[in-house]
Amino acid sequence: AQSVTQLGSHVSVSEGALVLLRCNYSSSVPPYLFWYVQYPNQGLQLLLKYTSAATLVKGINGFEAEFKKSETSFHLTKPSAHMSDAAEYFCAVSSGNQFYFGTGTSLTVIP
Amino acid sequence: DAGITQSPRHKVTETGTPVTLRCHQTENHRYMYWYRQDPGHGLRLIHYSYGVKDTDKGEVSDGYSVSRSKTEDFLLTLESATSSQTSVYFCAITDTSNTGELFFGEGSRLTVL
Repeated sequence: AQSVTQLGSHVSVSEGALVLLRCNYSSSVPPYLFWYVQYPNQGLQLLLKYTSAATLVKGINGFEAEFKKSETSFHLTKPSAHMSDAAEYFCAVSSGNQFYFGTGTSLTVIP
Repeated sequence: DAGITQSPRHKVTETGTPVTLRCHQTENHRYMYWYRQDPGHGLRLIHYSYGVKDTDKGEVSDGYSVSRSKTEDFLLTLESATSSQTSVYFCAITDTSNTGELFFGEGSRLTVL
């Protein structure tokens, strides 16, 4: 079965600092990988996805992620954190008809 | 925004009572999913559907059943609710498995006393 591991359930950064949220996946075949964001009391919305095209994927709100097969990683980054980035972030992998989510990372942005 | 409506949005019920959550979509997407979200567990798949009357189990399907008699509606039923089923339930849809973006509803918060 596919799975994803998100290292760090809580991450705090200062406003303007680099955001780095970690995701590692396990997959025996080339995966399709996703990052979703969830704001309080809302459903999840897609930030970006990797579907075997370019390894560096750009998403909305200035986020990007790099697929590294050798490290089985798909870490999410943003050069400069904004207060509005405070939310919960989920990494996900798809296989067959199913999507598997990590346990989430809660991002706090300190003014 | 994708047209997904979940109902009810909030429900409090007692142990042993039946509960049905409804997911309604206006996108004509083939695939529909029910997830539950719990602290420390992320989202876990309960059941999913890949067409009318075609459903399959996810990783946490015990105690839940689903039905899809129309493309637009996917029902999740708890036959006899337990306190361990207190959670936030999300419906999601996509038109393309694997590479497709999942669109989520706003969630249904269920409390079982």
